[in-house]
Amino acid sequence: GAGVSQTPSNKVTEKGKYVELRCDPISGHTALYWYRQSLGQGPEFLIYFQGTGAADDSGLPNDRFFAVRPEGSVSTLKIQRTERGDSAVYLCASSLRALAGASSGANVLTFGAGSRLTVL
Amino acid sequence: DQQVKQNSPSLSVQEGRISILNCDYTNSMFDYFLWYKKYPAEGPTFLISISSIKDKNEDGRFTVFLNKSAKHLSLHIVPSQPGDSAVYFCAAQRSGTYKYIFGTGTRLKVLA
Repeated sequence: GAGVSQTPSNKVTEKGKYVELRCDPISGHTALYWYRQSLGQGPEFLIYFQGTGAADDSGLPNDRFFAVRPEGSVSTLKIQRTERGDSAVYLCASSLRALAGASSGANVLTFGAGSRLTVL
Repeated sequence: DQQVKQNSPSLSVQEGRISILNCDYTNSMFDYFLWYKKYPAEGPTFLISISSIKDKNEDGRFTVFLNKSAKHLSLHIVPSQPGDSAVYFCAAQRSGTYKYIFGTGTRLKVLA
């Protein structure tokens, strides 16, 4: 697509419920990222996919969080047993390449509009 | 440990004047610095970047200055326009990596 698409844009759920957040990256972008932005904070890295595999999931806060990208395009972030502290905007981004480097410069990400999750 | 800091949560500037947004970092290993702009209900969009081997990069009304010895960078917007009103995030990246470290953002309001 023309941009990174995220659904739902807003999700309100109750504590303890399961949620899925979907990201549709720019067509052809092999690198996909999830970031989380809590109120008053900057986005924080959660997970990075190169193709179908999670190359780095070190930012996932705990084992209630899981993400998949089975066909190397759309990704789903899954949160089990949601807690009030999970309330945040979950941002997905994609890029053609992943690494910053001397010949290619900074790695510029294209972000989606985010999914705002509210856990009551 | 906040490696990238934006100490001013908000800034108000009159239309036509200069806006200066500041960012400090602690890790001298960062190789690239980027500025992203975020409007409400939208994702951050890339604005401008600078490599650590440079001290200035300019793109139209936007100029980023880097002072490596002070571990400080700033974004200058001249002249400021009401459409520039947004939250600005500073981000840092190391060469050979993919991860950004973001600051907490500065909300710029340009008054007409």
